[in-house]
Amino acid sequence: AQKITQTQPGMFVQEKEAVTLDCTYDTSDQSYGLFWYKQPSSGEMIFLIYQGSYDEQNATEGRYSLNFQKARKSANLVISASQLGDSAMYFCAMRVPRGAGGTSYGKLTFGQGTILTVHP
Amino acid sequence: DTGVSQNPRHKITKRGQNVTFRCDPISEHNRLYWYRQTLGQGPEFLTYFQNEAQLEKSRLLSDRFSAERPKGSFSTLEIQRTEQGDSAMYLCASSLVEKLFFGSGTQLSVL
Repeated sequence: AQKITQTQPGMFVQEKEAVTLDCTYDTSDQSYGLFWYKQPSSGEMIFLIYQGSYDEQNATEGRYSLNFQKARKSANLVISASQLGDSAMYFCAMRVPRGAGGTSYGKLTFGQGTILTVHP
Repeated sequence: DTGVSQNPRHKITKRGQNVTFRCDPISEHNRLYWYRQTLGQGPEFLTYFQNEAQLEKSRLLSDRFSAERPKGSFSTLEIQRTEQGDSAMYLCASSLVEKLFFGSGTQLSVL
């Protein structure tokens, strides 16, 4: 079974500063994908960044980067130059491929989330 | 708008009534997923379709829940004989490969 742990219920950051949101995962599979989603108060889940377990480089998407440490089973999200609009709930999630040939069946397992508040 | 669309946005019902939600995925996406999210928690997987085939169902999906995707396009999630514990946000997502794109969800309140 897969498990995602986000140990920070809430985080605060000053506008324009960087912040790291922690995520650890547990799986016995060698092939897996790690995701981060943002959920503002409107409720929609917004995809931020993806890291495959075999990707050698850390993923980056604009101000978002994923600090992937495979041996530690951690996939922390780093947001640089925080903006007021970054205030939201952030979820880490994992997917393990299943099926013939490792065809991914799409089931994401989510963590409990971290509420990020950006102060002006 | 080419995102995932869910209707209705909000549904209030009395205990024991049946409700049905609709999800229209991104048009070229062959995979469709339903998740449930309660306040302060991460989304929990309910079920998954590839085209019209329902390939996986969570144990969370009791006999009162049924999902369909008859033509491999839109999907419906029906809850029969609703209970107060069914109150939650029901999220639909679709994907082509790795990235799941979510809709805004249907917030269900069972009184």
